[in-house]
Amino acid sequence: ETGVTQSPTHLIKTRGQQVTLRCSSQSGHNTVSWYQQALGQGPQFIFQYYREEENGRGNFPPRFSGLQFPNYSSELNVNALELDDSALYLCASSLDPSRGIEQYFGPGTRLTVT
Amino acid sequence: AQSVSQHNHHVILSEAASLELGCNYSYGGTVNLFWYVQYPGQHLQLLLKYFSGDPLVKGIKGFEAEFIKSKFSFNLRKPSVQWSDTAEYFCAVQFGGGATNKLIFGTGTLLAVQP
Repeated sequence: ETGVTQSPTHLIKTRGQQVTLRCSSQSGHNTVSWYQQALGQGPQFIFQYYREEENGRGNFPPRFSGLQFPNYSSELNVNALELDDSALYLCASSLDPSRGIEQYFGPGTRLTVT
Repeated sequence: AQSVSQHNHHVILSEAASLELGCNYSYGGTVNLFWYVQYPGQHLQLLLKYFSGDPLVKGIKGFEAEFIKSKFSFNLRKPSVQWSDTAEYFCAVQFGGGATNKLIFGTGTLLAVQP
């Protein structure tokens, strides 16, 4: 166990709907990163939040957005869901966003879009 | 583009066999290197990491990896696998530059160890 928690565990949505996924970072960690892991693939970086500001973004469209709260927990929002959004969404927290700092992963949220 | 390749997608071994999983990355600059493991039903866990120094690094559960800069490789090894090593293994790289510690992952290798 890493101390990083995510909710919900599983979620089923219909194409076109919107979804919000939640992540609580490990105690003392101020940086949260989100990754998408499609079936048979490695995790892909979506974006990172550091002290409530977006600190970097991967190659994902604007309908993927996020928030970080003062307690450093975070949300990932996806609008206009598409079938290809079906994946495991992973949250990872770290002490800060510097290179060389280890990230600790949560168990993930399995999203199915029908 | 920055990328990470894992050439073995699915590996089946008998207990006590030796393991080597390949990982190559695309970039020639400064990198930090990681191997993560995902046991069935569990979250990603760090096996080992390399930042600098001795290119042979030891991790948890008897795993080790060797960084060969000239080959852009970071292969994972274990002399004798156990049934409990059945899991998916991911190589991940932090590339130089940028403001984040984001990880670029390979596609993973599914290891099945037969008793």
